[in-house]
Amino acid sequence: DQQVKQNSPSLSVQEGRISILNCDYTNSMFDYFLWYKKYPAEGPTFLISISSIKDKNEDGRFTVFLNKSAKHLSLHIVPSQPGDSAVYFCAASARGSSNTGKLIFGQGTTLQVKP
Amino acid sequence: NAGVMQNPRHLVRRRGQEARLRCSPMKGHSHVYWYRQLPEEGLKFMVYLQKENIIDESGMPKERFSAEFPKEGPSILRIQQVVRGDSAAYFCASSPFPENQPQHFGDGTRLSIL
Repeated sequence: DQQVKQNSPSLSVQEGRISILNCDYTNSMFDYFLWYKKYPAEGPTFLISISSIKDKNEDGRFTVFLNKSAKHLSLHIVPSQPGDSAVYFCAASARGSSNTGKLIFGQGTTLQVKP
Repeated sequence: NAGVMQNPRHLVRRRGQEARLRCSPMKGHSHVYWYRQLPEEGLKFMVYLQKENIIDESGMPKERFSAEFPKEGPSILRIQQVVRGDSAAYFCASSPFPENQPQHFGDGTRLSIL
């Protein structure tokens, strides 16, 4: 039962252009969403998050959009840089009285930014 | 301010041996999570601990796996009688307040079973 899905295993973009990474979820109890970036042989690095009370959160070149009705979120990177080449994971959590804060991860999307 | 520290980075065990993975959370973080990543897959939740307590172990295999987070010292993930299928990257994450703060991850322990 894959509750968080990243349907694109890979994405290739040109330096300076926009990268758009997508993520879908099925559990309507999820109310906190995060994006992590991961380089080989390293742990995931937190990038940006969004609460379900918002539909957009921006931090520098990174913007996350949340569409609750579609159960869909996306990460936009503008402008893309070669150093952004990594695996990007979407994660979700259901907060609340019984929440334990555990994160449910998607399978990841490998982004390649070409110079 | 040191990040989440995991050791060893690489661990090789033969089938039937025990594996002990250690995790020291970031300073001030009392919530620790363990995740496992199999090849070509995303991270899967295993267990959530606070100091001296296991809060959620719903992702932990019922047998051979255990975790602790003692009052003093690092959190330990212990795998007894390892099998080939235990080969994976094991990541630890910590957070000060999981309700509204992101989890920060260590660089993982890569466990290989011969």
